[in-house]
Amino acid sequence: SQQGEEDPQALSIQEGENATMNCSYKTSINNLQWYRQNSGRGLVHLILIRSNEREKHSGRLRVTLDTSKKSSSLLITASRAADTASYFCATVFTGNQFYFGTGTSLTVIP
Amino acid sequence: KAGVTQTPRYLIKTRGQQVTLSCSPISGHRSVSWYQQTPGQGLQFLFEYFSETQRNKGNFPGRFSGRQFSNSRSEMNVSTLELGDSALYLCASSFYGSGGLRGNEQFFGPGTRLTVL
Repeated sequence: SQQGEEDPQALSIQEGENATMNCSYKTSINNLQWYRQNSGRGLVHLILIRSNEREKHSGRLRVTLDTSKKSSSLLITASRAADTASYFCATVFTGNQFYFGTGTSLTVIP
Repeated sequence: KAGVTQTPRYLIKTRGQQVTLSCSPISGHRSVSWYQQTPGQGLQFLFEYFSETQRNKGNFPGRFSGRQFSNSRSEMNVSTLELGDSALYLCASSFYGSGGLRGNEQFFGPGTRLTVL
């Protein structure tokens, strides 16, 4: 399968703590993207990192990409209750074909 | 700009029936992709259309089909519904550039929740 795999499957933290989730994939990618999904709703794009980039920041989000290990991590700093959602990584291959992982369910406890 | 819209939002069908779901992409977006989301299988890619042509297809049986119109609106059809087709069907649009390393983010609609009884 070309799908990414997120780890952990579920994560529960206190408000104000940092949350880290990881994504591993199997074949070379064009870029990797992270999305958030609130319960039963559509996905929202968070950040895109290209295969020739190693790190990107967007607000409280930090994404790293290690193409040698075929892995990426998403760090959410100073988490808030509103960050409670499922987070998915999407690996994008030549031809714009997207493969989503199984997701990490994040719960931020107020 | 209006976001991606999907109709209907909820649908209840019985086994053996067929269903058509509709997706209107963001204005100017020419690529529309469809996904099936279930608790057990996660997000599974169904197909992608670009300029009325199916560009990519996931590993789903022929009962799942789609099309795209000249205004980029897309429909997907599922014939002979099975219980296992119960899922959230998500549509996503993107502005497809020249490809290469640019990549494109996808903008998702709210989904259509299909229940097959």
